[in-house]
Amino acid sequence: QLQLQESGPGLVKPSETLSLTCTVSGGSVSRGSYYWTWIRQPPGKRLEWIGYKYYSGASNYNSYLKSRVTISVDTSENQFSLKLTSVTAADTAVYYCARMRGYDWYFDVWGRGTPVTVSS
Amino acid sequence: EIVLTQSPATLSLSPGERATLSCRASQNVNTYLAWYQQKPGQGPRLLIYDASTRATGVPARFSGSGSGTDFTLTINSLEPEDFAVYYCQQRSDWLTFGGGTKVEIK
Repeated sequence: QLQLQESGPGLVKPSETLSLTCTVSGGSVSRGSYYWTWIRQPPGKRLEWIGYKYYSGASNYNSYLKSRVTISVDTSENQFSLKLTSVTAADTAVYYCARMRGYDWYFDVWGRGTPVTVSS
Repeated sequence: EIVLTQSPATLSLSPGERATLSCRASQNVNTYLAWYQQKPGQGPRLLIYDASTRATGVPARFSGSGSGTDFTLTINSLEPEDFAVYYCQQRSDWLTFGGGTKVEIK
């Protein structure tokens, strides 16, 4: 059974880069037809899709975050990662990694989420 | 951006009762809508996709209906494990989520 686990710092300073990793177990990030995705939920707000990456290269990002976001996939480590630059307090959220089905763009496997606070 | 509005924000019911949750889209999303269940400390779980198709392993007491802009998730005879937060998500125009409905024990 595929499982996803987020990891990374829980506290990031303003203007710095937020870096998170999602470790995939019970399956391969190289499996076709699936996109590896990050989603976040700021306190009291709705879930927000950040972006996705296919293992062989294709990617797409939320237009509101596009200039600051990079998602990468490491097939040798069976992981994928999120980098969000120039963070502010508005980036404080619970960050989830998820697998998105490429054939219908629904999220069928999620991690438990990791809270990240942006504060000095 | 397509905005999804869920109602009510909170639904207080007893085990065995029926829950009816609503999701309204600001534009036509055809049937490109999913429902997720989230329990504390967990990521969301896919329940329903394409408005009415149950995901693998989802009990038959969960059903979805609707098309266009109005959608409903129905949970027949609530079980103790069904008390959670439910989100809708559309994929007609990029990807957006609703604000959620919390189903709590009365």
